[in-house]
Parts: sequence; C-alpha cells; structure tokens
Amino acid sequence: GQNIDQPTEMTATEGAIVQINCTYQTSGFNGLFWYQQHAGEAPTFLSYNVLDGLEEKGRFSSFLSRSKGYSYLLLKELQMKDSASYLCAVRGRDSNYQLIWGAGTKLIIKP
Amino acid sequence: EAGVAQSPRYKIIEKRQSVAFWCNPISGHATLYWYQQILGQGPKLLIQFQNNGVVDDSQLPKDRFSAERLKGVDSTLKIQPAKLEDSAVYLCASSLESRGAGSTDTQYFGPGTRLTVL
Repeated sequence: GQNIDQPTEMTATEGAIVQINCTYQTSGFNGLFWYQQHAGEAPTFLSYNVLDGLEEKGRFSSFLSRSKGYSYLLLKELQMKDSASYLCAVRGRDSNYQLIWGAGTKLIIKP
Repeated sequence: EAGVAQSPRYKIIEKRQSVAFWCNPISGHATLYWYQQILGQGPKLLIQFQNNGVVDDSQLPKDRFSAERLKGVDSTLKIQPAKLEDSAVYLCASSLESRGAGSTDTQYFGPGTRLTVL
C-alpha cells in the first residue's frame, strides 16, 4: 500500500529551529510537496522537491532523499505565525498526477 | 492573479438534507480537484476533473455525492442526502496541468467550505 508518515504534533520555541520529518512508501515517485495550513484555512504551497538534496527558500528549507523515502521541512527563526499544520504530500507514478497526503504535523510555537 | 474561489464558506444543515458547493478555479487551470478534509487528517480526494471530463472519481460516494464541471471552468459538488459523517471541510484545488519536464503542476487551494451536519 501507499503510506505517508509524519509526527502528529511538535512544539518549538519562538526564534528557534525545528525539523518536521516525513517518510513515505509509494508506488513510484514523481515529486514531494510541503504545504502549510493554518487552523480553519486552506493549505498553501511551501515547497517542492523532485531531486535529492536541499531546497532553500528564505526561512524554510526542504530536503529529500529518494533512496530512503524521506524528507524534512526545516523552519528557522521561528515566529508565532508559523504555528500551523504542515502537510507532506507525494506524487506517485500515477498518470493522473494525484497527490498522496500525510495527516499533517501540528506545530505549536511557544514564546 | 485571482485565486481559487469557493462558496459558501460555512454551511449547517440537518441530516438527510441536501447541500451544494461551488468552486471557480484559477483562470486557465485545466485540472480541478474536490477534497474532503476531516479535522486532524490530510485531504482525501473525492474527484478529479481535467477540463470538463472526470479523470478519477473512485473515492466519491456516488450514492449520495455528485459533481460536475460542465464548461470546463466552474464546478459544483452536491451531497444528497447528507449524513452526520459528512461533516468536514470541502476543499477545491486547481492546477495548470502542465506535464513537461521540470513541471511541478502545483495544486492551489480555495478557502474551503466548512460543512456541519446536525
């Protein structure tokens, strides 16, 4: 079967760094997405990885290892507004370009 | 560029009633998705359209749910009759459907409709 695993909840301190992990088992691989979802709002696109390595975008970075079926989202200089759920989604080999979604990691930022 | 529009934002109905949701995707986006998201879970795909054709509706409970995208732009999702377990947020997303090398074909989401069935 196809599966995406992420921690359910994490807590971090304002100004610190946090790493949210995602492991996946899918039928083929054609890209991994990270989305941010604030409570009561729609998911918004953060990053996309299709090749191994680190993609940096401001305070957020995303890493991918295809051989390990593993990705992480790194958030630096945490701000209170970063409190949200972070969703990992993988595009498999399905020709319909559909995404397989994780349940999300709820990140709580404390002052 | 305008984003994905959805209405209504909130809806409260009683079980066995019917309800309809509307979605207007980003202009030029060929692919449209309807998702159901239950609190604490990731989005679950209900149906995927490409232009006005259905690509995948394998997870749509067809005895009560229906969806259409008649002119390849706007879409409606209907539930009739609603059950208590249909209480969720219904998200519409769209993507450009460019499948060339290096294309991400990112999905962009609307604000969602929060449905409560009493």
